[in-house]
Amino acid sequence: QSVLTQPPSVSAAPGQKVTISCSGSSSNIGNNYVSWYQQFPGTAPKLLISENNKRPSGIPDRFSGSKSGTSATLGITGLQTGDEADYYCGTWDTRLTIGVFGGGTKLTVL
Amino acid sequence: EVQLVESGGGLVKPGGSLRLSCAASGFTFSSYNMNWVRQAPGKGLEWVSSISSSSRSIFYADSVKGRFTISRDNAKNSLYLQMNSLRAEDTAVYYCARDGPPPCLDHWGQGTLVTVSS
Repeated sequence: QSVLTQPPSVSAAPGQKVTISCSGSSSNIGNNYVSWYQQFPGTAPKLLISENNKRPSGIPDRFSGSKSGTSATLGITGLQTGDEADYYCGTWDTRLTIGVFGGGTKLTVL
Repeated sequence: EVQLVESGGGLVKPGGSLRLSCAASGFTFSSYNMNWVRQAPGKGLEWVSSISSSSRSIFYADSVKGRFTISRDNAKNSLYLQMNSLRAEDTAVYYCARDGPPPCLDHWGQGTLVTVSS
C-alpha cells in the first residue's frame, strides 16, 4: 500500500483532457514539493513535472501540475495515443525520512 | 549528457547477497544526492535508499533497513547498493536516480534486474 494515493487508471479520448490526482498528508505533499513521472512499459521512469508545477526542458506544455494542501494533480490536455503510459507522483516524507510514490495511474487514450 | 548505468543484477538465492553499482557520467557526481528506486514485476515504484553528496546523510525504506547499505565513491563517480539477506520480495528492477535541484529525481538509469529465487 502506497503512502500517496492515486487512481489506478484513467481514460479519455484523443484530443481530450485528463487529470490524475495524488493524495497525501502534511508530512509529505503538505510540506514538500511534488514531482510527476511518466513510464512506458519496459523503460525507466522519466521526470515530467518538478516543484509541483514546473516542466523540465523538452516536456510539452500539454502537461501541467498543481498542488493544493495535501493533494496534487497532473493535467494532460490534447491527449495523444503516445501519452498512454503509467504516471507516478512522488515527494519526500518528512516523518518517514524517505521518498514516497503514489501507486501509479495507467492512462488509456481510447 | 547525463548518464547513469546500473550493473550487478542477477539471480540469487534467498538469504544471499548482491552488490549493485551505478556508473555516473556527464555531470559533477560529487555535487548531487543520489537514490535507489526499485520496481517489482508488474508493480509500482518504491523508493529504497538515498545518500547525500558527501555521504553524510543516508536514508532507507523500512523494508530494507538493516539489510541494504547504500554508499558512493565520488572519486570513481559511482553509487553502490549492497544487498544482504535477500528475500523473494526484493525481486525487482533496481534504478539509480539523481536528485535535482530542483528536489526531484531528474535522471534515471535503465535499471538492473534482481531476482531472488531458489
